[in-house]
Amino acid sequence: GNSVTQMEGPVTLSEEAFLTINCTYTATGYPSLFWYVQYPGEGLQLLLKATKADDKGSNKGFEATYRKETTSFHLEKGSVQVSDSAVYFCALAVYTGRRALTFGSGTRLQVQP
Amino acid sequence: NAGVTQTPKFQVLKTGQSMTLQCAQDMNHEYMSWYRQDPGMGLRLIHYSVGAGITDQGEVPNGYNVSRSTTEDFPLRLLSAAPSQTSVYFCASSYGLAAIANTGELFFGEGSRLTVL
Repeated sequence: GNSVTQMEGPVTLSEEAFLTINCTYTATGYPSLFWYVQYPGEGLQLLLKATKADDKGSNKGFEATYRKETTSFHLEKGSVQVSDSAVYFCALAVYTGRRALTFGSGTRLQVQP
Repeated sequence: NAGVTQTPKFQVLKTGQSMTLQCAQDMNHEYMSWYRQDPGMGLRLIHYSVGAGITDQGEVPNGYNVSRSTTEDFPLRLLSAAPSQTSVYFCASSYGLAAIANTGELFFGEGSRLTVL
């Protein structure tokens, strides 16, 4: 079956620090990969995506590269801000005609001023 | 500009009580789904629907019922609440499974926090 594994949190960083959140996956078929973000008290929002190997998704200063050889999709940001404090979810989708997204367990990021 | 609307936002139930979580979307989405979010377990799919009159089970369907009589609405029913159903519930919708696989665009409501005593 499909599964997504994320590093456990919380991740606590100072403002302007470099961020990496690790994500690896297993999938039957050729998945599309996504990062979602959940701000306090809100639902999830799509942050970025990559649909084929070596694609780099980017948005709001965040980046992630689809690495088929290592089955990974690590999230990075060069300089985090307090406003980036949220829970980040890695997810995959394989269109099999049944279920949609498979989510990881989420990683909480806390950025301190 | 409503998007996906869930009600209620908070609910406390006693064991054995029943209730319905409401979900409505105004984007003419064919696909609708319910997830539950629990600490350390991410989001798990309860039930989903690919169109009016069509529903199917997700990963954790036991104890929950759904129906899809209209494109807009997808209520989730708890038949006899148990403490294990204490969770945050999210409704999410999209144009369809192919759209999700291609774009990842799944639109979420703000969540409903349910506590079962």
